[in-house]
Amino acid sequence: QKEVEQNSGPLSVPEGAIASLNCTYSDRGSQSFFWYRQYSGKSPELIMSIYSNGDKEDGRFTAQLNKASQYVSLLIRDSQPSDSATYLCAVNNNDMRFGAGTRLTVKP
Amino acid sequence: ETGVTQSPTHLIKTRGQQVTLRCSSQSGHNTVSWYQQALGQGPQFIFQYYREEENGRGNFPPRFSGLQFPNYSSELNVNALELDDSALYLCASSLGARDMNTEAFFGQGTRLTVV
Repeated sequence: QKEVEQNSGPLSVPEGAIASLNCTYSDRGSQSFFWYRQYSGKSPELIMSIYSNGDKEDGRFTAQLNKASQYVSLLIRDSQPSDSATYLCAVNNNDMRFGAGTRLTVKP
Repeated sequence: ETGVTQSPTHLIKTRGQQVTLRCSSQSGHNTVSWYQQALGQGPQFIFQYYREEENGRGNFPPRFSGLQFPNYSSELNVNALELDDSALYLCASSLGARDMNTEAFFGQGTRLTVV
């Protein structure tokens, strides 16, 4: 079992729709959770961090964490073509472990 | 802009050679972590430096080594390069030791090609 699992995609949504990205992790001791966006050929860019159960909203982005289910998700509302990228889920318990990423395409 | 800078941006080396990659951390940050990202994969943790000492290491052989300097900049050294070492090498800067689990910000990366 991989430590951090994400659907590789590609996930395709129309412009203006909600994109839902999911991530599960295996280490129950994980303390902090991050979502990074990575455009092709670029480095990862931090977009959200979440540390406690529940929802955290920042603009069009909402991160959701459920530690009992070992599940973290990212919702992107009103998706834009510029949101097209690979989204990396990262889980931190001393070491930051990344999933392989989900490729999101937002079609105009 | 994260304030984390890496050099060089691209590098081509021959198998068996040695390479040094450099990273300047964000102002005020005292921790640097290095990652290797192969094509189509997520970043893999190599090691972390906190206040000039190695503070955690991933599943990489000893030919991957590093340093952190008093100004918290860092180097990643790879000896005896292998073809599989071809990847994007990422440096991430953060504040606090690894058990503080704080946010990390990446530099633009160094694309290493081993031929």
